[in-house]
Amino acid sequence: NAGVTQTPKFQVLKTGQSMTLQCAQDMNHEYMSWYRQDPGMGLRLIHYSVGAGITDQGEVPNGYNVSRSTTEDFPLRLLSAAPSQTSVYFCASSYGGSQYFGPGTRLLVL
Amino acid sequence: AQKVTQAQTEISVVEKEDVTLDCVYETRDTTYYLFWYKQPPSGELVFLIRRNSFDEQNEISGRYSWNFQKSTSSFNFTITASQVVDSAVYFCAPGGNTDKLIFGTGTRLQVFP
Repeated sequence: NAGVTQTPKFQVLKTGQSMTLQCAQDMNHEYMSWYRQDPGMGLRLIHYSVGAGITDQGEVPNGYNVSRSTTEDFPLRLLSAAPSQTSVYFCASSYGGSQYFGPGTRLLVL
Repeated sequence: AQKVTQAQTEISVVEKEDVTLDCVYETRDTTYYLFWYKQPPSGELVFLIRRNSFDEQNEISGRYSWNFQKSTSSFNFTITASQVVDSAVYFCAPGGNTDKLIFGTGTRLQVFP
């Protein structure tokens, strides 16, 4: 099993550009989520999904969109990047309360 | 709503010392989970332990031990005989009936040789 994978590992964007952070898991977990981690902070929940076709907002959803068309994939879209979205993004999948995190995507918005 | 407080921002110890990381949480859920994660300098998040709120039995696993006290809403983590490789940021995270986690701000542990 690859577990939770994220691409890209690192990305630089200009303000106003759009991009999609990819997340995939091969553990057949229903629950997936996206977090962001800012310097010196813990992780904050952006969006989550309890299964294919179902998504909901977390603590800091503004500026981000998600969709869940399959159990395996949970992409995070930035429609118009802003410098405030410079952060490290972690995707996670979980089963029975135990969350497994991907390696993270480091995003820099200039 | 859930909230977690990790009052210790940074702890420095010398190798082989024991160190305890404190975690105090707030939750309105009657059943919940509690987690500890480790984030080494490489940046990945490493799952350490999950505890159910109805299981107050404390556990020792190698050099790690956990002290869960529901009456004081605390879930402390102890490393015995610390090693340089233990240097990392440690996060406590309560989770409610859903799988959403609320992370504390973390405690940075530096273990010096």
